[in-house]
Amino acid sequence: SQELEQSPQSLIVQEGKNLTINCTSSKTLYGLYWYKQKYGEGLIFLMMLQKGGEEKSHEKITAKLDEKKQQSSLHITASQPSHAGIYLCGADYDTNAGKSTFGDGTTLTVKP
Amino acid sequence: DTGVSQDPRHKITKRGQNVTFRCDPISEHNRLYWYRQTLGQGPEFLTYFQNEAQLEKSRLLSDRFSAERPKGSFSTLEIQRTEQGDSAMYLCASSLVAIRETQYFGPGTRLLVL
Repeated sequence: SQELEQSPQSLIVQEGKNLTINCTSSKTLYGLYWYKQKYGEGLIFLMMLQKGGEEKSHEKITAKLDEKKQQSSLHITASQPSHAGIYLCGADYDTNAGKSTFGDGTTLTVKP
Repeated sequence: DTGVSQDPRHKITKRGQNVTFRCDPISEHNRLYWYRQTLGQGPEFLTYFQNEAQLEKSRLLSDRFSAERPKGSFSTLEIQRTEQGDSAMYLCASSLVAIRETQYFGPGTRLLVL
């Protein structure tokens, strides 16, 4: 999506290393979602962020929302092979929710 | 399993044939979404329903595409006269309407048009 840019497009890390994926919006965000997708499968919900400065964690994954920059980052600590997959950010651009707009994903490979 | 289910998971068809996909949302969810995803891209919005009402359709949804949710529960997406460009993963998601709602996705239906 041109409205939602993810970087990097792909990432290869050694097991145990930390990594960060970024998602930048060209428009005002009302909600930001992170999903994980295994190739050929559906999206698995990870986290939702709504307010600027909000930070959420689940196991070794932390996501933050920078309202000023209209940007979110997803940080994985001590990566494991189970973290491999495609990470997608999705955005709500409407106060009344409804459809989401998605970035094109970041493909993460974790080398054992 | 109480998640979103989709049927079939895979479909191979010849150009010009009609295909229909089914989505069963999480039972208490009143919103249902259809997205299309091609390789290397994020999902693109096609249409969504609140209960049985179709509230929005993308301009991606040409007149060959039609979606229904007749009783506000399951939904069907039909593609008529399929074209090779229709080959993609078709994803269904559901949510409970709220100010900010999380969409839960099904496993998708992968369509290949030969």
